[in-house]
Amino acid sequence: EADIYQTPRYLVIGTGKKITLECSQTMGHDKMYWYQQDPGMELHLIHYSYGVNSTEKGDLSSESTVSRIRTEHFPLTLESARPSHTSQYLCASSGGQDSGPQHFGDGTRLSIL
Amino acid sequence: GENVEQHPSTLSVQEGDSAVIKCTYSDSASNYFPWYKQELGKGPQLIIDIRSNVGEKKDQRIAVTLNKTAKHFSLHITETQPEDSAVYFCAARDPPGNTGKLIFGQGTTLQVKP
Repeated sequence: EADIYQTPRYLVIGTGKKITLECSQTMGHDKMYWYQQDPGMELHLIHYSYGVNSTEKGDLSSESTVSRIRTEHFPLTLESARPSHTSQYLCASSGGQDSGPQHFGDGTRLSIL
Repeated sequence: GENVEQHPSTLSVQEGDSAVIKCTYSDSASNYFPWYKQELGKGPQLIIDIRSNVGEKKDQRIAVTLNKTAKHFSLHITETQPEDSAVYFCAARDPPGNTGKLIFGQGTTLQVKP
């Protein structure tokens, strides 16, 4: 069982609020990822990180930002939430020289009113 | 960059039958192909993976085959059970591999009818 945790699991919040989604892993993985997914649909990579102080934008444009100050922690922030941000956000990590498989958290289901 | 196509988008089988999901990829340099199972309300879970130096891998009722020449790989589930019902995603690692990025297929919703 992979040790990667996301909080909160569910968040319903009003438009204009600042939101931070938390992701932590205890496996010492150097690489971490954020995906956006509508339920049961394709996974879209929005951010990834090779390691501490490294962040890159993914294949899907997103208004969110990320930071990687510690190896185990990769939070995602929305400065001003909008209804179009309503979705599920999945965090993943991978490690080793050839990266290995990605291990996923259970996601945060975000609803912006 | 890499592109992955997955078929079918939905699959319904009777309990005990076999299920096959197919994926094609575009970049011949891709060398790692995992399969994930996603149950309702959960994140994707790795169920099996294969590297480009082998053609087939089995784990109990699950097997994956890889045809590098044709650039396609398939998931085979035998003796399906209702608990196999889920969304399944294939993926290919985006070359050269040091980023660890995976390119996912569109997903297949598998329904196993009791």
